[in-house]
Amino acid sequence: AQSVTQLGSHVSVSEGALVLLRCNYSSSVPPYLFWYVQYPNQGLQLLLKYTTGATLVKGINGFEAEFKKSETSFHLTKPSAHMSDAAEYFCAVSNAGGTSYGKLTFGQGTILTVHP
Amino acid sequence: DVKVTQSSRYLVKRTGEKVFLECVQDMDHENMFWYRQDPGLGLRLIYFSYDVKMKEKGDIPEGYSVSREKKERFSLILESASTNQTSMYLCASSSRGHRDTLAGVRTGELFFGEGSRLTVL
Repeated sequence: AQSVTQLGSHVSVSEGALVLLRCNYSSSVPPYLFWYVQYPNQGLQLLLKYTTGATLVKGINGFEAEFKKSETSFHLTKPSAHMSDAAEYFCAVSNAGGTSYGKLTFGQGTILTVHP
Repeated sequence: DVKVTQSSRYLVKRTGEKVFLECVQDMDHENMFWYRQDPGLGLRLIYFSYDVKMKEKGDIPEGYSVSREKKERFSLILESASTNQTSMYLCASSSRGHRDTLAGVRTGELFFGEGSRLTVL
């Protein structure tokens, strides 16, 4: 079984400040990890993903995340927040094979608010 | 680009009505999924299908059924809608991995439609 916990349902930052969205996962097999973003009234869009290899993953819009196996974490960061980053962010985990391949388990979501 | 199209963005139905939510993808993906999104609960998997006419229950299948008669189309059916099924429904698809962009690595990345917001009165 796999699960995802996002710490903090709401995060508020000032424009230009560091963005840190926390995600911890549980998985019985080596995980694939994803961050998705959802803008109002839209579907989910992939920000970045970790599969194998380099543990620091860079995504779109200046976001990056680091896979830390020892901490079972995959926190999302951005050095300088922009007003357009305001959205809901979802962390997700999947396994790498079997009939459940591609079945993602999502966290509860974190709403990011950016203040001028 | 992958396109996942959900037939209705907004629906209002009455309790007891039969509801069909349609989803079509144009990238020849083998896997298709229906998720339900509710505030504070994230996305929860209702059903998924990894081949035509194949389906598997997700985490919350009660009150729902699905149909996959063609590879590109995956339908979610509410046989008798209830008020607790008021929600945002998201369809997604993914390849089985053979054609993922990272050579030799299967990622299972999901591509989502824009969602169907269902209100049951």
